Amino acid sequence: DAMVIQNPRYQVTQFGKPVTLSCSQTLNHNVMYWYQQKSSQAPKLLFHYYDKDFNNEADTPDNFQSRRPNTSFCFLDIRSPGLGDAAMYLCATSALSRNQPQHFGDGTRLSIL
Amino acid sequence: DAKTTQPNSMESNEEEPVHLPCNHSTISGTDYIHWYRQLPSQGPEYVIHGLTSNVNNRMASLAIAEDRKSSTLILHRATLRDAAVYYCILRDVGNAGNMLTFGGGTRLMVKP
Repeated sequence: DAMVIQNPRYQVTQFGKPVTLSCSQTLNHNVMYWYQQKSSQAPKLLFHYYDKDFNNEADTPDNFQSRRPNTSFCFLDIRSPGLGDAAMYLCATSALSRNQPQHFGDGTRLSIL
Repeated sequence: DAKTTQPNSMESNEEEPVHLPCNHSTISGTDYIHWYRQLPSQGPEYVIHGLTSNVNNRMASLAIAEDRKSSTLILHRATLRDAAVYYCILRDVGNAGNMLTFGGGTRLMVKP
């Protein structure tokens, strides 16, 4: 059974139209992450939550924001998507203890028209 | 985080062992070596990790050089399902957020 669930698997939006991607987890993990993976590239960390404590990577554009209303859910908001934001967006979770593995969802592939 | 170097791609025959190398010459004493793989159209999945000693689990084995400047992920019998991109990642034990910095990875192709 999937433990990190991302919906939808495919999302299409228009240039400049706000879009929200969602992630839920059944693992009760404290830490949740959002990664961006462009075609033929490795995943790149955008930000992560340690419980409700939000941690942004230094080079994550302001256009990307996130919300975590409770332990189970986390959202990625792209305020004004540009063509360069077309990518796979991956959500992952991890337990708090050191050296715990990350558990990934299967991602949402975002297309921009 | 210290950097890793992996071959861009490797080929293997089905049911044969596969040795995926990773160089990490600038590894520090507190860096753990983690391996993840990403199958087509899926998110990455954890494979194995280790510090100094060789490690085995149901998916693979991890052989770590004595000077820790390189490691090898070993798949004992490759199957078609093992075709994926394999990422070798160093993670400092002090990395409280368990964060991962992915490098280029090795694309493994398995021939029937």
